[in-house]
Amino acid sequence: SQQGEEDPQALSIQEGENATMNCSYKTSINNLQWYRQNSGRGLVHLILIRSNEREKHSGRLRVTLDTSKKSSSLLITASRAADTASYFCATDSGGGADGLTFGKGTHLIIQP
Amino acid sequence: DVKVTQSSRYLVKRTGEKVFLECVQDMDHENMFWYRQDPGLGLRLIYFSYDVKMKEKGDIPEGYSVSREKKERFSLILESASTNQTSMYLCASSFRVYEQYFGPGTRLTVT
Repeated sequence: SQQGEEDPQALSIQEGENATMNCSYKTSINNLQWYRQNSGRGLVHLILIRSNEREKHSGRLRVTLDTSKKSSSLLITASRAADTASYFCATDSGGGADGLTFGKGTHLIIQP
Repeated sequence: DVKVTQSSRYLVKRTGEKVFLECVQDMDHENMFWYRQDPGLGLRLIYFSYDVKMKEKGDIPEGYSVSREKKERFSLILESASTNQTSMYLCASSFRVYEQYFGPGTRLTVT
């Protein structure tokens, strides 16, 4: 079942600007993760936020989680051309080794 | 450096052929996963395994089977390939359910 839904589906901004992507999900979660996928490649893990956390930072990335609204946002500050990629949120409900449930992704284009 | 490798980057097969996609990880992870990725549908979980010889169905297991005889290797099998199985196939492994490490993907075309 498709749990996460990213918004917007596509985003184009100028290099140096900040990029914000949103993710909404339907059921309660244990953790929420964000992944990046460069064109035609596998996914790379960016950051994980647990359900009892509200905000997390990693370098130029900032993730927030609002469990009451079942939503998360990923902010990339001072964007670079190399940030051009698709970004996916993924959720797990815990309780074992179940696979993650991914959203459909936001395609981010950074214009030089 | 962690590594998940997949046997082929690109594969072309005919309808009705038996297809094997292989995935190997060198991180001693218990968990391994197979996803397929299609435009507009995102990633969907086909099968996963949390131990050798163990397997669990994901969201879309129909038309697929898997094999995990060794901890580091997880194979996806298309018993009789069909055109609607044309897709990008991604393998991943993880320690527990957290951060998953993905292979580069296999783009399979069934004609």
